[in-house]
Amino acid sequence: AQTVTQSQPEMSVQEAETVTLSCTYDTSENNYYLFWYKQPPSRQMILVIRQEAYKQQNATENRFSVNFQKAAKSFSLKISDSQLGDTAMYFCAFMTPDTGNQFYFGTGTSLTVIP
Amino acid sequence: DTEVTQTPKHLVMGMTNKKSLKCEQHMGHRAMYWYKQKAKKPPELMFVYSYEKLSINESVPSRFSPECPNSSLLNLHLHALQPEDSALYLCASSHYRGNEQFFGPGTRLTVL
Repeated sequence: AQTVTQSQPEMSVQEAETVTLSCTYDTSENNYYLFWYKQPPSRQMILVIRQEAYKQQNATENRFSVNFQKAAKSFSLKISDSQLGDTAMYFCAFMTPDTGNQFYFGTGTSLTVIP
Repeated sequence: DTEVTQTPKHLVMGMTNKKSLKCEQHMGHRAMYWYKQKAKKPPELMFVYSYEKLSINESVPSRFSPECPNSSLLNLHLHALQPEDSALYLCASSHYRGNEQFFGPGTRLTVL
């Protein structure tokens, strides 16, 4: 069975600072993908970043980057130069193609950027 | 077009009503999903369609009935719902055996 754990229910960061959201997962699969999704108060889920398990290089998308530690089954999200628009729920998600593209979501981290 | 659209945005219904939620995508995705989401919780998977066939049904009550008329459309028919079914209903799509899911904006459902 696949599980995803986000141990930080709520976090806050000052505008322009850096914050890291943690995520761990458990799986026996070798072929899988990891994602971070953002859901602002308007409730639209938006993909922030994705990581293929077979890639050693950490994914980066502008101010968003991940620290993927495969052996430790850890997948943290770093947000640099935080902006007010980053205020949202952040969900870590795991997917393996061998289970019909089913996503497994973590419980989410509510991030507030303080002006 | 990289958008998943959902209608209506809001729906209020009584426990004896029958209503339908609609979802549409034109990205050529062959997998489509229905999720239920309560406030400050992660989405809960309800149904998965792959190539217009129901492939995953997560033990959802029969008062929810999905339908996939073609590869671009996904419906969720609602009948005799309970107040605890009030939630945000999200539709998503992805390439079959692909990776990321694209989510629609959701339908906010209130059952009175």
